[in-house]
Amino acid sequence: GESVGLHLPTLSVQEGDNSIINCAYSNSASDYFIWYKQESGKGPQFIIDIRSNMDKRQGQRVTVLLNKTVKHLSLQIAATQPGDSAVYFCAERGSSNTGKLIFGQGTTLQVKP
Amino acid sequence: DAGVTQSPTHLIKTRGQQVTLRCSPISGHKSVSWYQQVLGQGPQFIFQYYEKEERGRGNFPDRFSARQFPNYSSELNVNALLLGDSALYLCASSLVLRGDTQYFGPGTRLTVL
Repeated sequence: GESVGLHLPTLSVQEGDNSIINCAYSNSASDYFIWYKQESGKGPQFIIDIRSNMDKRQGQRVTVLLNKTVKHLSLQIAATQPGDSAVYFCAERGSSNTGKLIFGQGTTLQVKP
Repeated sequence: DAGVTQSPTHLIKTRGQQVTLRCSPISGHKSVSWYQQVLGQGPQFIFQYYEKEERGRGNFPDRFSARQFPNYSSELNVNALLLGDSALYLCASSLVLRGDTQYFGPGTRLTVL
C-alpha cells in the first residue's frame, strides 16, 4: 500500500547549524509533496511544498529536495533556531482523484542553544 | 486573515456517546478534509468534502460521518465512541479538490473515557 516514512525519529542539532530531515515514499505515482511543522498542542503548519516535476524548491531558510529515482524527499533548514524545535512531517498526495495526503510518522527536531 | 478554525478545542466523552466536531475553512476555500492524529503518529485521512459532496473517504468505520454546508463549513460526527477514538481531530482546507496546499486548523482534542 501507499506509505510515507521518515528515516530518523529524532534529530538533535546545535543552534546555528543546518538541519536535514529525510523522508522516503513508496508511491511513484504521487505528484505532490509537502512538509509540515507541528508544535506541541497545535495543528500542522505548512512549511514548503514541491511538485513531482521539480527537483528542488527554496523558501525562506528552507529547501526541499525531491529525488524521484530513489523516492526520497528531504527538508533542509538553514541556520536552525530554537523556534524550529518541533515535529516535522512529510506528506504525499497519492494517485487517487482526491486531495488525500498520506503522512509519515514524523521526525522530532531538537535545537540545542 | 482568519485561518482554519475548529470547535471545540477540547472534548471529553464516555464510551458509547456521540460527538460532533466543527470546522470553518479559510475564506474562499471550497474543500475541507478531516484527519485523525493519534498521539505520536502522523495524521490519518478520514474524509474530504468539496462543494458539499464527499469526494474521498479513508479507512474508517461507518461510525464516522461528515457533511459540508453551503458556506463550506463542515461537521464531523462520530457515533458509539470507543476508547480508541481518543485523538486530535484536524480539519484542513484547500481552494479546490486537488488544490495543492492544505492548511490545517488547531484541531479538537477528543478524549474518550
